[in-house]
Amino acid sequence: ETGVTQTPRHLVMGMTNKKSLKCEQHLGHNAMYWYKQSAKKPLELMFVYNFKEQTENNSVPSRFSPECPNSSHLFLHLHTLQPEDSALYLCASSQRGQGLASPLHFGNGTRLTVT
Amino acid sequence: AQSVTQLDSQVPVFEEAPVELRCNYSSSVSVYLFWYVQYPNQGLQLLLKYLSGSTLVESINGFEAEFNKSQTSFHLRKPSVHISDTAEYFCAVSEKAAGNKLTFGGGTRVLVKP
Repeated sequence: ETGVTQTPRHLVMGMTNKKSLKCEQHLGHNAMYWYKQSAKKPLELMFVYNFKEQTENNSVPSRFSPECPNSSHLFLHLHTLQPEDSALYLCASSQRGQGLASPLHFGNGTRLTVT
Repeated sequence: AQSVTQLDSQVPVFEEAPVELRCNYSSSVSVYLFWYVQYPNQGLQLLLKYLSGSTLVESINGFEAEFNKSQTSFHLRKPSVHISDTAEYFCAVSEKAAGNKLTFGGGTRVLVKP
């Protein structure tokens, strides 16, 4: 049972649709992350939130819009995506500020297919 | 900037045989090192980590990794694999001053054959 829950597990959307991915962590962490996992490519960090504030945006196109209403929830709003955006989107959380590195805890991901 | 190289994209191995997954990193500063495992249709799970101290770290399911600073490597080994070890393994590095900003390698897919 993962402490990080992502919904939906699978999503198929057209290029003109608007959809949202949801992530919830039950671990009491203060940082949350979105990663993109594409076939044959390393995991790509997309966004980082610390204490609900966005601290990193790795040159992600504006068709991806994150939202972090509190330290337990993270959303990724999607609109006018391209077929190359098809990938597994992973959410993670961690506890920052503990001196030593707190490992990331990942959800099971949302498999996104853009048609 | 840091980078991580996993030289083998796939490693087929027979059950009960040993396996070694290679990981090399580049960084100009001190780092933390991690191995994550991803089973089919799941997210990544932390397998083991090196933060400081002993250069040999072990996981609860028989994996071990050794930090070699001079060779900038963090290879993962298991002396005898099980079918259930079939998964993709990711090496990751984080600069100590950068908190939890991980850079991942491309992954190594391990296929354990009976």
